[in-house]
Amino acid sequence: EIVMTQSPATLSVSPGERVTLSCRASQSVSSNIAWYQQKPGQAPRLLIYGASTRATAIPARFSGSGSGTEFTLTINSLQSEDLAVYYCQQYNNRPPYSFGQGTKLEIK
Amino acid sequence: EVQLVNSGAEVKKPGESLKISCKGSGYSFADYWIGWVRQMPGKGLEWMAIIYPANSNTRYSPSFQGQVTISADKSINTAFLQWSSLKASDTAMYYCARGLERRGDEAFDIWGQGTMVTVSS
Repeated sequence: EIVMTQSPATLSVSPGERVTLSCRASQSVSSNIAWYQQKPGQAPRLLIYGASTRATAIPARFSGSGSGTEFTLTINSLQSEDLAVYYCQQYNNRPPYSFGQGTKLEIK
Repeated sequence: EVQLVNSGAEVKKPGESLKISCKGSGYSFADYWIGWVRQMPGKGLEWMAIIYPANSNTRYSPSFQGQVTISADKSINTAFLQWSSLKASDTAMYYCARGLERRGDEAFDIWGQGTMVTVSS
């Protein structure tokens, strides 16, 4: 089973800042990775798939990059509404298509 | 509007059986994989299993194989997750979600609102 490790566990940032979240796979997953945003009390929402493709209606301030085992989610010009937990997920080859443990984004 | 709607919250006792549902609308339900994701209280997301409603092809995580059963009825655009004997450790929010690209190995683009299952004596 592929293990996804996210860092940091928690990040405290100010509105307007640029934020970079990291996700590492225990083995190569090519570009088969997605990022999700989960706000308190809500279901997850797909942000990025294929490592770098924004999902429908996702603002351009969200971007993804990486391939193989190292991936990043970048949020430019952070807004207060971006307070959430962010998860990466790999869906390479065979199940289970595991999630990372999440990065909690706190707004200063 | 494309949406998935999970059935309502459940409170059960250990040892009881349970079947929860996920109804799709606004798209061709049979043609997209449906997955189930567990989120225990205060914890992260866990990928459980997926099903292709057109032919009921299923794939399970080893962690959940034998612990739950997933099924689908394409005639009523509904997927199901069931337990034969619940444990307290099954207490969690359960989300259904739609596969994005109709491949099975893919991201989930549409999510239900979740079903909270509480198992307590």
